[in-house]
Formats: sequence, C-alpha cells, structure tokens
Amino acid sequence: ETGVTQTPRHLVMGMTNKKSLKCEQHLGHNAMYWYKQSAKKPLELMFVYSLEERVENNSVPSRFSPECPNSSHLFLHLHTLQPEDSALYLCASSRVGSSTEAFFGQGTRLTVV
Amino acid sequence: GESVGLHLPTLSVQEGDNSIINCAYSNSASDYFIWYKQESGKGPQFIIDIRSNMDKRQGQRVTVLLNKTVKHLSLQIAATQPGDSAVYFCAVQSGNFNKFYFGSGTKLNVKP
Repeated sequence: ETGVTQTPRHLVMGMTNKKSLKCEQHLGHNAMYWYKQSAKKPLELMFVYSLEERVENNSVPSRFSPECPNSSHLFLHLHTLQPEDSALYLCASSRVGSSTEAFFGQGTRLTVV
Repeated sequence: GESVGLHLPTLSVQEGDNSIINCAYSNSASDYFIWYKQESGKGPQFIIDIRSNMDKRQGQRVTVLLNKTVKHLSLQIAATQPGDSAVYFCAVQSGNFNKFYFGSGTKLNVKP
C-alpha cells in the first residue's frame, strides 16, 4: 500500500455515460495529480492540484473534468468519452515545495465501449 | 517544458547479472530525478531518487548515476532477480515542484 487509494480499479463505460474516478491519499500531502497511461507511451500528465488549486491542465479535452474538494481527495469526472480514452488512469500525490517523490495509486483501468 | 526518453523499450538479462537502464532528459534546469518500478496491475513505485547536486546515489542493490553534462540518468541493478521483472520509468522534476515528467519506460525481463 502506498497510501494513495483509487476507486474503482476497473471501469467499463459507454460513450454516452457519465462516471467519476476517485482518489484518496492519507499521506498528508498537498499536491495531487492525474496521469494517463496508455500502452507503449510515457505517462501523460493531465492535471495538477497544488494546495487545492488547479495549477496545471495539459490541454486535456473538456470531457475530462477534475475536482479537488480538499487536499486528501481528487476526482476525475468523465462524460461522453471516446474509445481512444481507454487507458490506465493514475492518481499521485506529493508534498509541495520540496523535492520529494510522488506516490501513486494502483490506477483505474478504464475501457470505453 | 521537458521531454524524457528511455534508450531501450525492453531489456533482457540473466538472473544474477547486473542490469543498466538508461534515461535522457532535455531540460538542463531539471533538478530532481526519480526511478520508479511498475509491476503488472500496479501503480509505479518509488525505487531511488537523486538531486542535481549529486552524481551518484546508492540504495540496496540499486545505484542511480546522473550526468548533468549530457543530461543522462541511469539505474543500475546489481544481481538482478526474477522479482525485478517490471517496467522501469525515470521521472524528472524541473523547477516547478509540482510537475513530474516521465519517460516511456523500459521493460526488464529477467531470465532464470
């Protein structure tokens, strides 16, 4: 266990569905991240929240909508996704203001049908 | 920004041999570097890190080497074991402490 928990572990959704991914960290960190991991590609940084403010949005389509209600929780709301959005979505957390590693959750394996 | 690349997508080694996995980065201002290991069905796990004021750091069976002149990072695993089979990623942090950039990963296969 890394202290970062993601739910669900697996999700299959249709292109017209709306779903949400959840991430929770118990490490006292104050920065949280969403990454997308597709086969044979580098981890793609999607969003960064630092001190509960979104500080990074890497040209992610609006069908992905993040939410960070507090420093321990992060959501990724999904709607009208495309099959090419199928991937492993990883949440991570770290401490702002120091060079320390990011801790990752186990990921949510998303399949869009 | 930052781009991070790994030299080999796959590396096969014999059990007991040493493994070397390489990584190159583009931003000379990068100041913090991490190696992660990702096993099948799991998220990346921290192995070892190094800051830009160092050129070598050792852990248990692992050593990270940093060459800032050529912007190159390597991970050495001594006496590789079957449990070391995984995908290895380097991650680079540049100035802004909130962003980590990852390479595409090297899959390490350990042959018994």
